[in-house]
Amino acid sequence: IQLTQSPSSLSASVGDRVTITCRASQGISSYLAWYQQKPGKAPKLLIYAASTLQSGVPSRFSGSGSGTDFTLTITSLQPEDFATYYCQQLNSFPLTFGGGTKVEIK
Amino acid sequence: EVQLVQSGEEVKKPGESLKMSCKGSGYSFTSYWIGWVRQMPGKGLEWMGIIYPGDSDTRYSPSFQGQVTMSVDKSINTAYLQWSSLKASDTAMYYCARALKYYSGMDVWGQGTTVTVSS
Repeated sequence: IQLTQSPSSLSASVGDRVTITCRASQGISSYLAWYQQKPGKAPKLLIYAASTLQSGVPSRFSGSGSGTDFTLTITSLQPEDFATYYCQQLNSFPLTFGGGTKVEIK
Repeated sequence: EVQLVQSGEEVKKPGESLKMSCKGSGYSFTSYWIGWVRQMPGKGLEWMGIIYPGDSDTRYSPSFQGQVTMSVDKSINTAYLQWSSLKASDTAMYYCARALKYYSGMDVWGQGTTVTVSS
């Protein structure tokens, strides 16, 4: 299963609403996770089951979608949110990642 | 504290073997899958495979099947990723991470092991 993230990068300002999309090449129900990775650090799980917020993750992050189309939304971008975001499908092996979306400061 | 601690940086020559480790603590090691993820310099995340320490059930990505071997030693709560003959293209950061179910996402990650393969 291929995952296509868009955009591959974006520039945004603190306080902006940011939406990242992830499209699967075939239906994956709600078996999708989102991760955040900062430079030089391991990825961090933000959302699983497409819309379930991982414990400790701020509520400004949310996920939606099912089937083939998914979105990650950050409602009010904070300085610590500038990072690269990846989706991962968990429906079937191999558990592939999307190509990533880099969120940069405008 | 729940954590995964990976072994240290490796510098190897092409053709050499390597076995890196990922030690879990603070949780029931045999109840969570351990996945391995490669990140080549400046690139995205690649899922390599996953192993269940409880029974050593292992699933490899086709891209890595036959190239690496995943294993565990339950007695010391440690998972391993090994190569028998490294290539320059194996130069990357390697992460281990745990997942309660393979479909639940990887919620705890190791700090990563950097591997450099160069003649």
